[in-house]
Amino acid sequence: GAVVSQHPSRVICKSGTSVKIECRSLDFQATTMFWYRQFPKQSLMLMATSNEGSKATYEQGVEKDKFLINHASLTLSTLTVTSAHPEDSSFYICSANGGSHTGELFFGEGSRLTVL
Amino acid sequence: SQQGEEDPQALSIQEGENATMNCSYKTSINNLQWYRQNSGRGLVHLILIRSNEREKHSGRLRVTLDTSKKSSSLLITASRAADTASYFCATQNTGNQFYFGTGTSLTVIP
Repeated sequence: GAVVSQHPSRVICKSGTSVKIECRSLDFQATTMFWYRQFPKQSLMLMATSNEGSKATYEQGVEKDKFLINHASLTLSTLTVTSAHPEDSSFYICSANGGSHTGELFFGEGSRLTVL
Repeated sequence: SQQGEEDPQALSIQEGENATMNCSYKTSINNLQWYRQNSGRGLVHLILIRSNEREKHSGRLRVTLDTSKKSSSLLITASRAADTASYFCATQNTGNQFYFGTGTSLTVIP
C-alpha cells in the first residue's frame, strides 16, 4: 500500500514554544491530507482537512491560529502547534488519500507531543 | 460532532473465538471503513464497504452495513493473539472527510 511518513515521531518542548510536524506521502500524490488528534485510549478526532494549494478546512472547535496547517505541495503537509501548552500534549496523526471519493486512508505513524 | 459510536468499548475473548464489534454513525456516507491500531502507532486499513453494499468478506474479516440503521459490524473469525489491538470504524462522507468511531479495544487471550 501507499506510504505516509510523519516526522518527528516524538517531540518534547517547553510551554510557549512552537512545534512543527511534517506529513509526507512518499509514493503517491496526496491532494488531500487529514490531521487527527488522539488522546490516550480514545478515538481520532478530525482537526482539519488540508487541501494542496488552498487553505485548510478546520473542524468546529479547532483554533486555526493555534494549529497552523500548510499543504504547499502534493506530497507534504505540515501542522504547526503554536505557543504550545501542556493541554496540547497529545498524539497527532496525519493521513492522506489520493483525492478519490472511494479510497482508503493511509496513515502516518503519528507524532507524540509532550509539552512541559 | 460527526464522530460515530462503537460498542463494545472493550472486548476480551479466548483465542479461536469470534469477535464482533459494532459501529453506528450519523450522516450520509460514501463508504465505511474499518481500521486497526496497535498501541501508539498509526492506523492500518482493514476493509472498505461501499454505501450500496450490504456485506463484504476479506480473509477472516466479515463486514456488514445497514444504511437504513446507519450501522455496521465487523466480525473477526477464529481470533488470534496477534489480533489484539484497537479497532475503529470510519465513515467517508460526501465531502470526502473521514470521521472515526470511538473504537473497540480487543484483547485475544492465548
